[in-house]
Amino acid sequence: DAKTTQPPSMDCAEGRAANLPCNHSTISGNEYVYWYRQIHSQGPQYIIHGLKNNETNEMASLIITEDRKSSTLILPHATLRDTAVYYCIVRSNYQLIWGAGTKLIIKP
Amino acid sequence: NAGVTQTPKFRILKIGQSMTLQCAQDMNHNYMYWYRQDPGMGLKLIYYSVGAGITDKGEVPNGYNVSRSTTEDFPLRLELAAPSQTSVYFCASRPWGALLAKNIQYFGAGTRLSVL
Repeated sequence: DAKTTQPPSMDCAEGRAANLPCNHSTISGNEYVYWYRQIHSQGPQYIIHGLKNNETNEMASLIITEDRKSSTLILPHATLRDTAVYYCIVRSNYQLIWGAGTKLIIKP
Repeated sequence: NAGVTQTPKFRILKIGQSMTLQCAQDMNHNYMYWYRQDPGMGLKLIYYSVGAGITDKGEVPNGYNVSRSTTEDFPLRLELAAPSQTSVYFCASRPWGALLAKNIQYFGAGTRLSVL
Protein backbone atom coordinates (compact mmCIF):
# COMPACT_ATOMS: atom_id res chain seq x y z
CA ASP A 1 0.00 0.00 0.00
CA ALA A 2 1.04 3.56 -0.64
CA LYS A 3 2.55 5.34 2.34
CA THR A 4 1.26 8.77 1.37
CA THR A 5 -2.08 10.55 1.72
CA GLN A 6 -3.24 13.19 -0.75
CA PRO A 7 -6.56 14.97 -1.30
CA PRO A 8 -8.37 13.38 -4.25
CA SER A 9 -8.92 16.67 -6.06
CA MET A 10 -8.15 20.38 -5.99
CA ASP A 11 -8.96 23.46 -8.06
CA CYS A 12 -6.73 26.44 -8.72
CA ALA A 13 -7.19 29.62 -10.74
CA GLU A 14 -4.91 30.13 -13.71
CA GLY A 15 -1.95 32.34 -12.83
CA ARG A 16 -2.18 31.58 -9.12
CA ALA A 17 0.12 29.34 -7.12
CA ALA A 18 -1.11 25.78 -6.78
CA ASN A 19 -0.22 24.20 -3.43
CA LEU A 20 -0.60 20.43 -3.32
CA PRO A 21 -0.30 18.80 0.13
CA CYS A 22 0.92 15.32 0.96
CA ASN A 23 1.08 13.48 4.26
CA HIS A 24 3.73 10.81 4.78
CA SER A 25 3.72 10.34 8.54
CA THR A 26 5.49 6.95 8.46
CA ILE A 27 8.43 8.11 6.36
CA SER A 28 11.78 6.81 7.54
CA GLY A 29 14.96 8.79 7.81
CA ASN A 30 16.50 7.79 4.50
CA GLU A 31 13.40 7.85 2.34
CA TYR A 32 12.98 10.53 -0.28
CA VAL A 33 9.76 12.20 -1.33
CA TYR A 34 9.14 12.26 -5.08
CA TRP A 35 6.51 14.09 -7.08
CA TYR A 36 5.32 13.01 -10.51
CA ARG A 37 2.40 14.14 -12.59
CA GLN A 38 0.29 12.47 -15.24
CA ILE A 39 -1.42 14.57 -17.86
CA HIS A 40 -4.56 12.88 -19.15
CA SER A 41 -3.53 9.25 -19.66
CA GLN A 42 0.01 10.06 -20.76
CA GLY A 43 2.99 8.46 -19.06
CA PRO A 44 3.89 10.00 -15.69
CA GLN A 45 6.43 12.80 -15.71
CA TYR A 46 8.97 13.47 -12.97
CA ILE A 47 8.66 16.87 -11.28
CA ILE A 48 10.90 17.09 -8.24
CA HIS A 49 12.16 15.21 -5.21
CA GLY A 50 13.68 15.94 -1.81
CA LEU A 51 14.90 14.48 1.47
CA LYS A 52 14.60 17.19 4.10
CA ASN A 53 15.63 20.47 2.57
CA ASN A 54 13.31 22.52 0.43
CA GLU A 55 13.96 22.10 -3.26
CA THR A 56 13.23 24.19 -6.35
CA ASN A 57 13.61 23.55 -10.03
CA GLU A 58 12.22 25.01 -13.23
CA MET A 59 8.91 23.24 -12.76
CA ALA A 60 8.08 23.54 -9.08
CA SER A 61 9.12 23.96 -5.47
CA LEU A 62 8.97 21.30 -2.78
CA ILE A 63 8.53 22.26 0.85
CA ILE A 64 9.14 19.50 3.41
CA THR A 65 8.21 20.04 7.05
CA GLU A 66 10.94 19.80 9.64
CA ASP A 67 9.58 16.53 11.03
CA ARG A 68 9.31 15.24 7.42
CA LYS A 69 5.79 13.97 8.01
CA SER A 70 4.31 16.12 5.29
CA SER A 71 5.26 18.09 2.21
CA THR A 72 3.78 20.57 -0.24
CA LEU A 73 4.37 20.84 -3.96
CA ILE A 74 4.09 24.39 -5.23
CA LEU A 75 3.45 25.31 -8.85
CA PRO A 76 4.14 29.05 -8.66
CA HIS A 77 2.08 30.28 -11.61
CA ALA A 78 -0.32 27.56 -12.66
CA THR A 79 -1.38 27.36 -16.30
CA LEU A 80 -4.13 25.33 -17.96
CA ARG A 81 -1.46 22.87 -19.07
CA ASP A 82 -0.77 22.03 -15.43
CA THR A 83 -4.13 20.26 -15.19
CA ALA A 84 -3.09 16.71 -14.30
CA VAL A 85 -3.01 14.08 -11.58
CA TYR A 86 -0.13 14.73 -9.19
CA TYR A 87 1.44 11.85 -7.31
CA CYS A 88 3.39 12.16 -4.09
CA ILE A 89 5.56 9.08 -3.60
CA VAL A 90 7.86 7.89 -0.87
CA ARG A 91 10.57 5.70 -2.25
CA SER A 92 10.47 2.13 -0.96
CA ASN A 93 13.65 0.26 -1.81
CA TYR A 94 14.07 0.75 -5.54
CA GLN A 95 10.37 0.71 -6.15
CA LEU A 96 8.06 3.69 -6.22
CA ILE A 97 4.76 3.00 -4.45
CA TRP A 98 2.00 4.94 -6.21
CA GLY A 99 -1.22 6.11 -4.59
CA ALA A 100 -4.24 7.55 -6.39
CA GLY A 101 -2.80 11.08 -6.43
CA THR A 102 -4.49 14.49 -6.50
CA LYS A 103 -6.41 15.58 -9.56
CA LEU A 104 -5.52 19.25 -10.01
CA ILE A 105 -7.81 21.29 -12.22
CA ILE A 106 -6.63 24.71 -13.31
CA LYS A 107 -9.54 27.00 -14.10
CA PRO A 108 -9.35 30.02 -16.42
CA ASN B 1 16.64 10.57 -28.26
CA ALA B 2 13.32 8.83 -28.47
CA GLY B 3 13.38 7.97 -24.74
CA VAL B 4 11.06 5.08 -23.85
CA THR B 5 9.02 3.71 -26.74
CA GLN B 6 6.05 1.39 -26.27
CA THR B 7 4.22 -0.54 -28.94
CA PRO B 8 1.42 -1.00 -29.71
CA LYS B 9 -0.50 2.03 -28.45
CA PHE B 10 -3.84 0.19 -28.44
CA ARG B 11 -4.85 -3.45 -28.58
CA ILE B 12 -8.01 -5.49 -28.18
CA LEU B 13 -7.61 -9.15 -27.25
CA LYS B 14 -10.06 -11.98 -26.89
CA ILE B 15 -10.05 -14.01 -23.71
CA GLY B 16 -7.34 -16.65 -23.85
CA GLN B 17 -5.26 -14.96 -26.53
CA SER B 18 -1.65 -14.06 -25.93
CA MET B 19 0.40 -11.05 -26.87
CA THR B 20 3.65 -9.25 -26.17
CA LEU B 21 3.84 -5.61 -25.24
CA GLN B 22 7.05 -4.10 -26.48
CA CYS B 23 9.20 -1.58 -24.64
CA ALA B 24 12.48 -0.11 -25.84
CA GLN B 25 14.68 2.64 -24.45
CA ASP B 26 17.66 4.37 -26.05
CA MET B 27 19.09 6.01 -22.94
CA ASN B 28 21.34 3.07 -21.95
CA HIS B 29 19.39 2.68 -18.72
CA ASN B 30 19.93 -0.48 -16.73
CA TYR B 31 16.71 -0.43 -14.76
CA MET B 32 13.42 -1.04 -16.53
CA TYR B 33 9.91 -1.42 -15.15
CA TRP B 34 6.46 -2.52 -16.20
CA TYR B 35 3.41 -1.01 -14.52
CA ARG B 36 -0.31 -1.32 -15.01
CA GLN B 37 -2.82 1.40 -14.25
CA ASP B 38 -6.50 0.74 -13.76
CA PRO B 39 -9.02 3.60 -14.10
CA GLY B 40 -8.74 6.19 -11.33
CA MET B 41 -5.90 4.33 -9.65
CA GLY B 42 -2.18 4.77 -9.27
CA LEU B 43 0.40 2.59 -10.98
CA LYS B 44 1.11 -0.93 -9.80
CA LEU B 45 4.44 -2.58 -10.49
CA ILE B 46 4.26 -5.83 -12.45
CA TYR B 47 7.91 -6.70 -13.08
CA TYR B 48 11.21 -4.93 -13.10
CA SER B 49 14.74 -5.58 -14.33
CA VAL B 50 18.07 -4.31 -13.06
CA GLY B 51 19.93 -5.29 -16.21
CA ALA B 52 20.11 -7.75 -19.06
CA GLY B 53 19.31 -11.26 -17.87
CA ILE B 54 17.97 -10.14 -14.50
CA THR B 55 14.28 -9.73 -13.74
CA ASP B 56 12.17 -9.76 -10.60
CA LYS B 57 8.52 -9.68 -9.62
CA GLY B 58 6.74 -6.58 -8.51
CA GLU B 59 3.42 -6.19 -6.73
CA VAL B 60 1.12 -7.81 -9.33
CA PRO B 61 3.09 -10.32 -11.47
CA ASN B 62 0.45 -13.04 -11.88
CA GLY B 63 -0.55 -13.61 -15.49
CA TYR B 64 2.54 -11.92 -16.93
CA ASN B 65 6.04 -12.86 -17.93
CA VAL B 66 9.07 -10.80 -18.88
CA SER B 67 12.50 -11.27 -20.34
CA ARG B 68 15.50 -8.97 -20.69
CA SER B 69 18.00 -10.15 -23.26
CA THR B 70 19.37 -6.71 -24.07
CA THR B 71 19.77 -3.43 -22.21
CA GLU B 72 17.42 -1.70 -24.62
CA ASP B 73 14.40 -4.02 -24.66
CA PHE B 74 12.05 -5.27 -21.95
CA PRO B 75 8.99 -7.03 -23.43
CA LEU B 76 5.97 -8.01 -21.32
CA ARG B 77 4.17 -11.20 -22.24
CA LEU B 78 0.52 -12.02 -21.54
CA GLU B 79 0.00 -15.74 -22.11
CA LEU B 80 -3.72 -16.27 -21.50
CA ALA B 81 -5.45 -12.92 -21.57
CA ALA B 82 -8.23 -12.38 -19.04
CA PRO B 83 -10.70 -9.48 -18.65
CA SER B 84 -8.93 -8.56 -15.40
CA GLN B 85 -5.90 -7.63 -17.48
CA THR B 86 -7.79 -4.82 -19.19
CA SER B 87 -5.68 -1.83 -18.22
CA VAL B 88 -3.15 0.74 -19.38
CA TYR B 89 0.40 -0.55 -19.30
CA PHE B 90 3.38 1.72 -18.81
CA CYS B 91 7.03 0.93 -19.25
CA ALA B 92 9.69 3.01 -17.50
CA SER B 93 13.46 3.11 -17.19
CA ARG B 94 16.11 4.74 -15.06
CA PRO B 95 19.90 4.76 -15.09
CA TRP B 96 22.14 2.45 -13.12
CA GLY B 97 24.24 3.81 -10.38
CA ALA B 98 21.79 6.54 -9.63
CA LEU B 99 21.73 6.83 -5.90
CA LEU B 100 18.52 6.25 -4.06
CA ALA B 101 18.37 10.02 -4.08
CA LYS B 102 17.86 9.97 -7.83
CA ASN B 103 15.25 7.29 -8.43
CA ILE B 104 13.92 9.23 -11.41
CA GLN B 105 12.02 7.06 -13.81
CA TYR B 106 11.27 7.96 -17.41
CA PHE B 107 8.00 6.66 -18.82
CA GLY B 108 6.68 5.62 -22.17
CA ALA B 109 3.33 6.78 -23.53
CA GLY B 110 1.54 3.57 -22.56
CA THR B 111 -0.33 0.69 -24.18
CA ARG B 112 -4.10 0.56 -23.76
CA LEU B 113 -5.25 -3.03 -23.65
CA SER B 114 -8.80 -4.33 -23.61
CA VAL B 115 -9.56 -8.02 -23.10
CA LEU B 116 -13.05 -8.98 -24.21
